[in-house]
Parts: sequence; C-alpha cells; structure tokens
Amino acid sequence: DAGVIQSPRHEVTEMGQEVTLRCKPISGHNSLFWYRQTMMRGLELLIYFNNNVPIDDSGMPEDRFSAKMPNASFSTLKIQPSEPRDSAVYFCASSPPGQVNYGYTFGSGTRLTVV
Amino acid sequence: AQKVTQAQTEISVVEKEDVTLDCVYETRDTTYYLFWYKQPPSGELVFLIRRNSFDEQNEISGRYSWNFQKSTSSFNFTITASQVVDSAVYFCALSEAIRKAGTALIFGKGTTLSVSS
Repeated sequence: DAGVIQSPRHEVTEMGQEVTLRCKPISGHNSLFWYRQTMMRGLELLIYFNNNVPIDDSGMPEDRFSAKMPNASFSTLKIQPSEPRDSAVYFCASSPPGQVNYGYTFGSGTRLTVV
Repeated sequence: AQKVTQAQTEISVVEKEDVTLDCVYETRDTTYYLFWYKQPPSGELVFLIRRNSFDEQNEISGRYSWNFQKSTSSFNFTITASQVVDSAVYFCALSEAIRKAGTALIFGKGTTLSVSS
C-alpha cells in the first residue's frame, strides 16, 4: 500500500500565480479530506469529499480556492490567484467506508510558499 | 460546536521522565470518536490511537497510554519513560458529523513535546 500520495512536496510560487496541489488517496478509500496547517491556525479542514462528491466546503477560505475530485483516485486543490498568506502546509487525507472505525491516513503534505 | 483544546503549547522533559499531554473536547454529539496523532520533525501526521465515545476503557500500548474520561470530557495521553525520539508535536482530534454523510476530524492546536537527553 503506497499510502496517500501528494505532489508536489514543495512549491514556491510568486504572488498572483495559479497553484495546483494534487492528491491520490489510498485505493478503496471513499472519503478524501484537504487540510491546511499554519502556525497561527493549526490544522484546518478545507473541504471533504465522499464518493467523489464535495460534502462540505465551508472551510475553504475564499473563492480563490477550489477543489475537485474527478474520480476516486485523484483530487486537486487549486489556488488562483495565490497570495503570500496562503503559505502553509496542505495535507490530504483519505479514509475507507466506515471511516470512524479506521481513522484517517494523511499524505506527507505539500509545503506551499507564496512570495 | 465541536472543539478540541490542548492547553499545553509546549512541554520540555528530560529523557526517562513521564509526561502527560492534556486534551479537552466539546461536542453535543452522543456518538463521537477521539484520536491522537503525532507529527515528528519530518512533518508527516502519524495516527496513534482512536477511541469511541462508548468505550471508556483506558488503553496501553508499550510506553503510551491513554485515559478517556467522559465526565470531564478529557482524553489525555501519557508517555512513560520518554525518549528523544518522542520529540514531536502531538495533536488530539475529534470526529464531527458533517451532514450525516460522514465525518471529518477537528484538531486541537497541538502540544510540542521536547525530550532532551
């Protein structure tokens, strides 16, 4: 099992540029979560998908952020345009059916720096 | 609203000391799950334990033990005979029902544990 795979591991971009973060969940997992980690706010849930359908996006900071899950094996988080305050570590996590009994597996994260 | 509070921001101990990390939660749900995760300096989030709201038995795994008390809404984590490798940020988390379609984790702010030799 390869675990949850995120790419890229590190991203440095200039303010105003579009940034796309990618996530491949564990095969068989039907729930996918995007979290953002900052020193000030800790780990925040951005959006959550169940069976490829967005369930709750109330944590998405603003319209500059968008997330998609076109199929069960791939999700993207896009920021357009990016701003310095978007600098953070973005984690993707997935969980299988009956998730509360199994917990959540996190990817290694993408460290985004917007300059 | 659900909330997880980890009042200890940073803890420093010397190797072989015992240390307890506190976690207090708030929820109106009668069914919920509590978790602990470890984030070592390398940055990944490592699952340690989950506990459901109906199981108040304490759990021990090697040097790790967890004390769940519904009466005080606490789920504390104790490391016995701490080691340098235990140095990390530890997060307590609570599962929250979202539109009855599943749950997502709500995290505390974390406790940074530093173990010196």
